[in-house]
Amino acid sequence: EAGVAQSPRYKIIEKRQSVAFWCNPISGHATLYWYQQILGQGPKLLIQFQNNGVVDDSQLPKDRFSAERLKGVDSTLKIQPAKLEDSAVYLCASSLGSQLRTEAFFGQGTRLTVV
Amino acid sequence: AQSVAQPEDQVNVAEGNPLTVKCTYSVSGNPYLFWYVQYPNRGLQFLLKYITGDNLVKGSYGFEAEFNKSQTSFHLKKPSALVSDSALYFCAVRDPNQAGTALIFGKGTTLSVSS
Repeated sequence: EAGVAQSPRYKIIEKRQSVAFWCNPISGHATLYWYQQILGQGPKLLIQFQNNGVVDDSQLPKDRFSAERLKGVDSTLKIQPAKLEDSAVYLCASSLGSQLRTEAFFGQGTRLTVV
Repeated sequence: AQSVAQPEDQVNVAEGNPLTVKCTYSVSGNPYLFWYVQYPNRGLQFLLKYITGDNLVKGSYGFEAEFNKSQTSFHLKKPSALVSDSALYFCAVRDPNQAGTALIFGKGTTLSVSS
């Protein structure tokens, strides 16, 4: 089966610009996550969707970050305006259900560099 | 608050020798524990998980992990390391009492296997 697809793979922007990332989860996966992975650290959750509803966005910097999953399939994550500290890899993951026992499958990520 | 500790930034082993990558956790409920591996420029790949039952769980590529409730540990092991095992390994936990089902990751341990 196809994995989690993300685009673009790499993005370089200047601070204060905006950027958007796209994610297509594994077919049939109702749960979708966005994680931020800063160099030298483990991934940290930004937002979790169950179908098109938000389950947890407590760690999303809502003054600059937004995410949507309008039809319960694809998702976009936006940053506006970007700051230097937003430089990171943004990982999308999906899982079949929302049970605690269910493993998540990750995409290759988008590497963002803010200059 | 939930947390995961990986006390070693790097583990070095010779090919053919056994390897151990350490992980300890702190959660308020019974933990759901996971190991993921990340190769350069690749997304995280699921290795194995502990949900309940037998304390020794087996996963992909010959890896196994031992759950120790009294020591709150979930160390990753392999009897005979391969050069191709060289990668970044992440331990992660889910707490039944948390909101959502996001994985909480450790900072990662780089495994280097020499020939």
